[in-house]
Amino acid sequence: KQEVTQIPAALSVPEGENLVLNCSFTDSAIYNLQWFRQDPGKGLTSLLLIQSSQREQTSGRLNASLDKSSGRSTLYIAASQPGDSATYLCAVRHGDYKLSFGAGTTVTVRA
Amino acid sequence: NAGVTQTPKFRVLKTGQSMTLLCAQDMNHEYMYWYRQDPGMGLRLIHYSVGEGTTAKGEVPDGYNVSRLKKQNFLLGLESAAPSQTSVYFCASSRPDRFYEQYFGPGTRLTVT
Repeated sequence: KQEVTQIPAALSVPEGENLVLNCSFTDSAIYNLQWFRQDPGKGLTSLLLIQSSQREQTSGRLNASLDKSSGRSTLYIAASQPGDSATYLCAVRHGDYKLSFGAGTTVTVRA
Repeated sequence: NAGVTQTPKFRVLKTGQSMTLLCAQDMNHEYMYWYRQDPGMGLRLIHYSVGEGTTAKGEVPDGYNVSRLKKQNFLLGLESAAPSQTSVYFCASSRPDRFYEQYFGPGTRLTVT
């Protein structure tokens, strides 16, 4: 069974600092990995999707890396802003339709 | 283009009552999913559908039923609600030609007393 872990569960940083969020998974036989953002009381917004054949994916200030062999992904957010405060979830796809989610890292960026 | 919508946004039920949650998508996606999210846990798949008229069990299907009579709608039913079903429910949809990237609705917060 695929287990997805995100550590730490919560993170607080001052504005301008770079954010590093970690995701680990137990079964390396994945199709892709997605990073989501969830604001309080809201649904999930997809940030980045990395295919299993890719090493990284970038979108603006966001960069996600994938090391499938070691079962790890890292989401980097450069020059954090208060608007980046949210919960970030990672999910791995290990079947045609099945996503396994981590519990998320709640980020607070202090102004 | 509304994406994925869910009805209702909030609901309080008493133990033993029944209700249906409605999910609708306007992206013509084949696949639809129902998840529940509980504090400190990742989203867990309840049921899913790979096309109109089809449904299948996910990770935590007990106590729930689903129907997909129309491609754009996916209904989640609770026949006899229990306090353990207090959760936030999310619907999602995807199409096979976009890496199965899933798009989520805003969620339904359900409390069972």
